[in-house]
Order: sequence, then structure tokens, then C-alpha cells
Amino acid sequence: SYELTQPPSVSVSPGQTARITCSGDALPKQYAYWYQQKSGQAPVLVIYEDKKRPSGIPDRFSGSSSGTMATLTITGAQVEDEGDYYCYSTDSGGDLGVFGAGTQVTVL
Amino acid sequence: EMYMEESGGGLVQTGGSLTLSCAFSGHNFKKPWMSWVRQAPGKGLEWVGRIKRKSDGGTTDYAAPVKGRFTISRDDSSDILFLQMNSLKTEDTGMYYCATDPIPTEEWESLRRPSWGQGTLVTVSS
Repeated sequence: SYELTQPPSVSVSPGQTARITCSGDALPKQYAYWYQQKSGQAPVLVIYEDKKRPSGIPDRFSGSSSGTMATLTITGAQVEDEGDYYCYSTDSGGDLGVFGAGTQVTVL
Repeated sequence: EMYMEESGGGLVQTGGSLTLSCAFSGHNFKKPWMSWVRQAPGKGLEWVGRIKRKSDGGTTDYAAPVKGRFTISRDDSSDILFLQMNSLKTEDTGMYYCATDPIPTEEWESLRRPSWGQGTLVTVSS
């Protein structure tokens, strides 16, 4: 079955840049989506179609994708950016969805 | 802006059945593809399955752990999505989210950008 691989955790100091990677064989063909989830809350979409930012999401969040790796970058991370981040994509045929296992981001 | 509201969660015994509903709105003229995503307590997000809109065949796809036990359907006259869950196991316990599924080839950006509900909790107990 298709898998997306993320690092379990990323830790940065406030104001630094946090980068979260997501690797998958179908990413050259399929878009990546990124979700932020804070404790006890529903996930929030922060990036869609590799690099687009929904309205209301701060511009310190950006996305990119190259080859088999998609990256979510938080430039100038703030304490309120702490949480779990999940990438989402589909298999090469676009039939089955899959989430990465999630990356816990700590800003302190 | 798309809106979803799930309902139907609750406590059920192993081997039992439960049907979740999701009322969706805000899609204007074109129907969205719809999906279910779940999250077991303390675990990550898991895609459950998707149903395409009728104009794209109305077909369904399911994740391996639920295939053959869960059925996704939709009533587009009422804009309601359903998840029929049979032969429930304790590992099916979790929060179930209704979400629009992005349509990569869609010209309407709102249908390419996923929207989620707040979820409904399912507890399967032995």
C-alpha cells in the first residue's frame, strides 16, 4: 500500500524556520496537502495543491514540492504554530487517499 | 466556503452497526467529491474512503481496513453524505470527520480546496 513518510518531530526556537518534509513515490504526479492540528481540535488546512494557502492562513506558512518530496515551511515560527502537522496525497492513480503519520512541531 | 456537519456518532458494541451522516452546503452549482477521515484516540489521521459526484460516476473507494465493512453513499437531493459501518471492531473507535475531497481537474477552486467538519465520535466497545 502507498505511504507518505514524515519525520516524527521538529523543534525550533521562536522566529526560526521550521521545515517539515513528506516523501512519497507518487508526489511527482499528485498534489500534496498540509493540515495543522492542535490538541483537541479538528485539523485545519494550511496548504493545498502543493503551495497554495487558504484565506486566513498566515503567510509564514508556505509549501513546495519537488520530485518525491513535498515540504511545508514555517518561516518565523511562533509559539501558536505548535501542533501536529499531516501531509495528505493520493496514490499514483488518484484512487486512494493517504495521510502521513504526522509531525509534532514544538516551538520553544 | 463549504460547510459540513457530522452526526450519528455514539457507543456501539463490537460486531454492531452504525450509520454516520454529514450535511454539507456552500458548494453553489457543482457538487463536491466527499470523503470520510477518522482519527483513533492519540493517533494520526486515517483516510477512510471517498465518493465522487454523480457526474464523475459516483464511484467509491475505500481504505483497506474498512473495505467490505463500510459503505459510503450520498443523497445529492438533500446534500447529505452517509457512512454505513458494519461489523464494527474496537479499532474503529475514533473521531470521524466528513470532508470534501479535492477534485484536481475542477475549474472551481472551492472544489479543489478541501473543507472539513468538526467530527463525530464513535466508540466501539466489547
